[in-house]
Amino acid sequence: EAGVAQSPRYKIIEKRQSVAFWCNPISGHATLYWYQQILGQGPKLLIQFQNNGVVDDSQLPKDRFSAERLKGVDSTLKIQPAKLEDSAVYLCASSLAQTGGTEKLFFGSGTQLSVL
Amino acid sequence: GEDVEQSLFLSVREGDSSVINCTYTDSSSTYLYWYKQEPGAGLQLLTYIFSNMDMKQDQRLTVLLNKKDKHLSLRIADTQTGDSAIYFCAERSTSGTYKYIFGTGTRLKVLA
Repeated sequence: EAGVAQSPRYKIIEKRQSVAFWCNPISGHATLYWYQQILGQGPKLLIQFQNNGVVDDSQLPKDRFSAERLKGVDSTLKIQPAKLEDSAVYLCASSLAQTGGTEKLFFGSGTQLSVL
Repeated sequence: GEDVEQSLFLSVREGDSSVINCTYTDSSSTYLYWYKQEPGAGLQLLTYIFSNMDMKQDQRLTVLLNKKDKHLSLRIADTQTGDSAIYFCAERSTSGTYKYIFGTGTRLKVLA
């Protein structure tokens, strides 16, 4: 079974530039998450999709961050314009469904963003 | 509010047992998880425990849950150098968006 695919692996940009990350979840996984992991911290949820609908984007800085999952499969996360404090690893995760049971998250390897 | 806390570092000798601790705040959490993150990789699920359990054992891993104190621990028996990684505790709410809250992570270093 293929895992969660993310690209690019690394990205270096200057502040005020734009950047986009791509995620392809495990086939058949309805729920997709984007997390931000700042160095030395745990992952923080940015946005959660159920199929192509947004379930939770309460912690997404909507003035600069946007995400979409148009066909309910792969997803893109965009930052425009980037700030220094956006330097982090952006992790994508997927799961079969959003339920009250034992939902297992599968993570991609992440995109490491450095904003100079 | 929701918060998951862990100690930052743990160093053990190869062959010893490691115990990584975690405290959480959401008393309604039904599932509590342990994830492992190796350098340059995403998080990998190690094990989880249901809140009506006190203990769960899975090969070298033992999870202990103290619901009264909202304390979770992960014991790794016969720790190997390959166990060196960052370990994250996570709680999952059982209502609303069922979102996960991750701890800050404990960096485990295994000395040969």
